[in-house]
Amino acid sequence: SQQGEEDPQALSIQEGENATMNCSYKTSINNLQWYRQNSGRGLVHLILIRSNEREKHSGRLRVTLDTSKKSSSLLITASRAADTASYFCATDSGANSKLTFGKGITLSVRP
Amino acid sequence: DVKVTQSSRYLVKRTGEKVFLECVQDMDHENMFWYRQDPGLGLRLIYFSYDVKMKEKGDIPEGYSVSREKKERFSLILESASTNQTSMYLCASSLLPGQGARKTQYFGPGTRLLVL
Repeated sequence: SQQGEEDPQALSIQEGENATMNCSYKTSINNLQWYRQNSGRGLVHLILIRSNEREKHSGRLRVTLDTSKKSSSLLITASRAADTASYFCATDSGANSKLTFGKGITLSVRP
Repeated sequence: DVKVTQSSRYLVKRTGEKVFLECVQDMDHENMFWYRQDPGLGLRLIYFSYDVKMKEKGDIPEGYSVSREKKERFSLILESASTNQTSMYLCASSLLPGQGARKTQYFGPGTRLLVL
């Protein structure tokens, strides 16, 4: 079952611009994570934010979490062509290790 | 760095064949997962395992089975491959639940399976 829904489905920006991607989910969560997938490859973990956190930074990445709206956003600042990839949000809500992934956002950064 | 490897990057099989997809991780993770990824559907969990010889069904287990005889290795088996199992298969591993970071999953490069 899909928990996270990313928005938009596709995003095309110019190098140097900021990219903002959103994720909404349906049930209460423990943590929310963002992953990146380069074309034809596996997913790579980017950042995790816990349900009691509101904002987190990692390099050019900024993640926010609004549990009242059941939504998160991923901001990539000063984008580069190498940021071109699909981005997925994933949530966990139980005691086990399962994650529920959204369908992903395709980001294209034009040089 | 955690390394998750999958036995094949590309695989072509015929309908009805038995197919084995192998996944190995080198970081002593307890949990291992098999997903399939299809355009427009995202990642869907097929099976996962939280210990040797333990397994749990995910969201779409029909037509698949798994085997975990050793901690580092998790195999996905298609007993009789069908064309609707043509997909990208991703293996992942993680530590047991605990603090938030332990729920981070580490993925292999994927196996693109084509069933003719």
